[in-house]
Amino acid sequence: EAGVTQSPTHLIKTRGQQVTLRCSPISGHTSVYWYQQALGLGLQFLLWYDEGEERNRGNFPPRFSGRQFPNYSSELNVNALELEDSALYLCASSLGYQPQHFGDGTRLSIL
Amino acid sequence: DAKTTQPNSMESNEEEPVHLPCNHSTISGTDYIHWYRQLPSQGPEYVIHGLTSNVNNRMASLAIAEDRKSSTLILHRATLRDAAVYYCILRGLNSGNTPLVFGKGTRLSVIA
Repeated sequence: EAGVTQSPTHLIKTRGQQVTLRCSPISGHTSVYWYQQALGLGLQFLLWYDEGEERNRGNFPPRFSGRQFPNYSSELNVNALELEDSALYLCASSLGYQPQHFGDGTRLSIL
Repeated sequence: DAKTTQPNSMESNEEEPVHLPCNHSTISGTDYIHWYRQLPSQGPEYVIHGLTSNVNNRMASLAIAEDRKSSTLILHRATLRDAAVYYCILRGLNSGNTPLVFGKGTRLSVIA
């Protein structure tokens, strides 16, 4: 069984640009979660999608957005990139009350 | 979800048992204790969870104090591959599939 896959693995952008990160959940999982892991700040919850709907968002500005597609894959969009957006972006998926399974993340660097 | 307290770091010799403690003095009766770990350059992975009784799986054991105010993750024989940050997370019965709240965790170093 394939795990959670994320693309791209690494990305370099400059301030003000926009970026889209992608996540494919484990087959059968309907919930997708996005987390940010910035240096020194730990893992912080960003967005949660379930059955195509946004269920909750963390304490992040509106320039962080996303969506979940009918096949349950998901995109995370970040507009007007700032230096502090440099981080590892992790996607996780789950089904119901089962534990979350994480991908290995996208490393985003802002120059 | 209630708060947990873990030591910042711990060190173990390879092939020795490791006991990773977690304090959760404000745990409620319906909170499950979950453990995840994050190996270097990887996303977190689920390790084990329990409510009241001790739990065992192929990765580890979870020992839960009788008053449930603390728990211990036990790795029976540490290997170099077990070097990771270990997170203890409380999940309410009604949390369902809500997002996880990560603390700082314990960074485990394993010495050959």
